Amino acid sequence: EPEVTQTPSHQVTQMGQEVILRCVPISNHLYFYWYRQILGQKVEFLVSFYNNEISEKSEIFDDQFSVERPDGSNFTLKIRSTKLEDSAMYFCASSRGGLAKNIQYFGAGTRLSVL
Amino acid sequence: DQQVKQNSPSLSVQEGRISILNCDYTNSMFDYFLWYKKYPAEGPTFLISISSIKDKNEDGRFTVFLNKSAKHLSLHIVPSQPGDSAVYFCAASVWDDKIIFGKGTRLHILP
Repeated sequence: EPEVTQTPSHQVTQMGQEVILRCVPISNHLYFYWYRQILGQKVEFLVSFYNNEISEKSEIFDDQFSVERPDGSNFTLKIRSTKLEDSAMYFCASSRGGLAKNIQYFGAGTRLSVL
Repeated sequence: DQQVKQNSPSLSVQEGRISILNCDYTNSMFDYFLWYKKYPAEGPTFLISISSIKDKNEDGRFTVFLNKSAKHLSLHIVPSQPGDSAVYFCAASVWDDKIIFGKGTRLHILP
């Protein structure tokens, strides 16, 4: 069964450093998302991406964040200068579109620890 | 801003019995509702969904009920099995939009 793949599973970084979280969405999916879950809190939407551009972003997704689909398979989230409060699980998701657009399939997540 | 509320942080149910997980929402614009299941160290796994034009959707042991007038939905699992022990997230979306998650309910299936 196709799945969303995320790497690395755990990323440790120093405050102020740049990180890139990587995702390979399901191959025939057209819509891509990033969510995060701070420990003990709910899963929160960050950004959606369709047709090579951001379609929506939350207030969390400020200028420190960017997304890119550099080739036909990868979808990345970059945090330019990490802060302690960026420590969280980051989930990538994708959906097929059409009538199945709202059904998003999630990866296992990347745990980001900012020290 | 809790547009999707799961008021029970945890629930314990005997194996073989029915598990009922509840969810309330506040945004009347939501037109699609989903349940996700999450095991530790894994991402949310899609379980079942329902469109706002329906009041019930069934898939094997899982049934979701939607009461639009009460802005309430519930997930029924029957019979409950040990592998059902997980965190269950209620989620909602407006067509063409992001998914808004509840805080989750941890379900424990007791032997």
